[in-house]
Amino acid sequence: GNSVTQMEGPVTLSEEAFLTINCTYTATGYPSLFWYVQYPGEGLQLLLKATKADDKGSNKGFEATYRKETTSFHLEKGSVQVSDSAVYFCAQGGSEKLVFGKGMKLTVNP
Amino acid sequence: DTAVSQTPKYLVTQMGNDKSIKCEQNLGHDTMYWYKQDSKKFLKIMFSYNNKELIINETVPNRFSPKSPDKAHLNLHINSLELGDSAVYFCASSLRPEGRQETQYFGPGTRLLVL
Repeated sequence: GNSVTQMEGPVTLSEEAFLTINCTYTATGYPSLFWYVQYPGEGLQLLLKATKADDKGSNKGFEATYRKETTSFHLEKGSVQVSDSAVYFCAQGGSEKLVFGKGMKLTVNP
Repeated sequence: DTAVSQTPKYLVTQMGNDKSIKCEQNLGHDTMYWYKQDSKKFLKIMFSYNNKELIINETVPNRFSPKSPDKAHLNLHINSLELGDSAVYFCASSLRPEGRQETQYFGPGTRLLVL
């Protein structure tokens, strides 16, 4: 069945460090891919998404590119801030439901 | 003007009790969902309703019963609460049911603790 595998962390970085969170998926067909972010004490919110191969999603300095050949959707940010501390979820859109990865907790220290 | 709201935000109760969580969305969406997030942050879908009809019913104990009185509301009733039900429950909504492309909008969560 469809699944998502992502780095689980937790990860601690210093402010202005480079961030990569790996995400790979298995699916029949070509799902849409998403990154959701959950800030402390809040619900999830969409960070970015891509709906077809080679699409790049971007938001708030974060980027991810839909790579069909490697079935990946890695999240990157060139310079993280303290306010980026959150849990990050990779997800794929199947025919009826989203399938989420296990989430990765990121802490950014000043 | 909260998009997806849930009540209560916190719920502490004894094992064996029955409790309900309510969810409302003012986005005009057709589809609503309930998710359970465990202590390790793992998120699992429980139910989905499209226009008041159940379309996703994952492997969930039948002590959990969702109810959608209209497409803006989706409530979750839990009978005979067990320790393992302690988790954060999130409601979400999307414009349409197709998970392939639809962005889901999440509520703030209900933190349930069963003692």
